[in-house]
Amino acid sequence: QKEVEQNSGPLSVPEGAIASLNCTYSDRGSQSFFWYRQYSGKSPELIMSIYSNGDKEDGRFTAQLNKASQYVSLLIRDSQPSDSATYLCAVTLTGNQFYFGTGTSLTVIP
Amino acid sequence: KAGVTQTPRYLIKTRGQQVTLSCSPISGHRSVSWYQQTPGQGLQFLFEYFSETQRNKGNFPGRFSGRQFSNSRSEMNVSTLELGDSALYLCASSLTGTPWEQYFGPGTRLTVT
Repeated sequence: QKEVEQNSGPLSVPEGAIASLNCTYSDRGSQSFFWYRQYSGKSPELIMSIYSNGDKEDGRFTAQLNKASQYVSLLIRDSQPSDSATYLCAVTLTGNQFYFGTGTSLTVIP
Repeated sequence: KAGVTQTPRYLIKTRGQQVTLSCSPISGHRSVSWYQQTPGQGLQFLFEYFSETQRNKGNFPGRFSGRQFSNSRSEMNVSTLELGDSALYLCASSLTGTPWEQYFGPGTRLTVT
């Protein structure tokens, strides 16, 4: 089992819809969770960080964390074509090892 | 505030050679991490440096090494290059390392022929 798992996609949503991206992790001791966005040919860009169970909202983005179920998700409301990118989930595991999932490719269709 | 910078941006090397990549973190950031990104394996953690000390290390062979200087700038070295080392090498900096809100540089694209 990989430390961090994501559906590779591709995920396609129409413009204006909600995009839902999911990530599961294997280490119950994980404490820090992050979502990064990576455009083709560019480096990853930090979107959200979340450390406590529940929801955290930042503009059109909402991160959700459920430590009991070991998953973290990212919701993008009112999706725009500019949101088309690969979204990477990252988790700090016990011992401060930092792992990325392989990413979910999102396409927002105008 | 200037972002993370990496040099060079592109490199072409021959199998068996060695290479050194450089990373300058965001001003005030003391933690620097290095990653290898390939289409097949995604982003893989190489190592993290904090205050000139390697604090964490991923599962890469000893051919991959790094160091950090007193001004937090970091270098990564790969010796005896193999074809499989062709990848995008990314550097990321953070204030203290934990929790790791990291900010990435543009990367160095290494091609080994």
